[in-house]
Amino acid sequence: DSGVTQTPKHLITATGQRVTLRCSPRSGDLSVYWYQQSLDQGLQFLIHYYNGEERAKGNILERFSAQQFPDLHSELNLSSLELGDSALYFCASSARGAYNEQFFGPGTRLTVL
Amino acid sequence: AQTVTQSQPEMSVQEAETVTLSCTYDTSESNYYLFWYKQPPSRQMILVIRQEAYKQQNATENRFSVNFQKAAKSFSLKISDSQLGDTAMYFCAFMSRAGYGGSQGNLIFGKGTKLSVKP
Repeated sequence: DSGVTQTPKHLITATGQRVTLRCSPRSGDLSVYWYQQSLDQGLQFLIHYYNGEERAKGNILERFSAQQFPDLHSELNLSSLELGDSALYFCASSARGAYNEQFFGPGTRLTVL
Repeated sequence: AQTVTQSQPEMSVQEAETVTLSCTYDTSESNYYLFWYKQPPSRQMILVIRQEAYKQQNATENRFSVNFQKAAKSFSLKISDSQLGDTAMYFCAFMSRAGYGGSQGNLIFGKGTKLSVKP
């Protein structure tokens, strides 16, 4: 158990819908990263938040957005869903000043029908 | 932009034997981290080993060791005494040290190598 929690574990929805994925980092970790794992694109970095502020963006679509709240949990919002958005979405957290190790949550499996 | 290449999509090894997974990367930076992550069928991402580019000594963690060749931009993973529980996807990953000190970098992953350990 990495200490990072993600909910829900599985999500099935239809095209055009909007969903929210939730991540709680390890206690004390200030950084939250979101990654997408799909068969086509492999593991891709989406976005990084540090202590509530966006720090870096990767290959994140404009239909996707994220935020980190004062209690440090983070949410990834996916809207106008398409079939190609079906993937495993990971959240990872790391501590400032640590050895840059990122601890991954169990992931949320999103299926868009 | 940095890239990570894993040229072996699949490999297999007999239990108790040794296997080496290859990884090459491309970067213009001199200071960075390299990682190997394991993803078993449960899909959980597990850190196997980490290497800091400024350290010449190769990292080791029990049965796992790396061969880090900075000039060649190569970072291979050796698994000794392979066990059935080592069956998994293995991902090589790169992280820039730019922004260290509050803003740690994101991971750039290779496509992965699927390792099967056979009894």
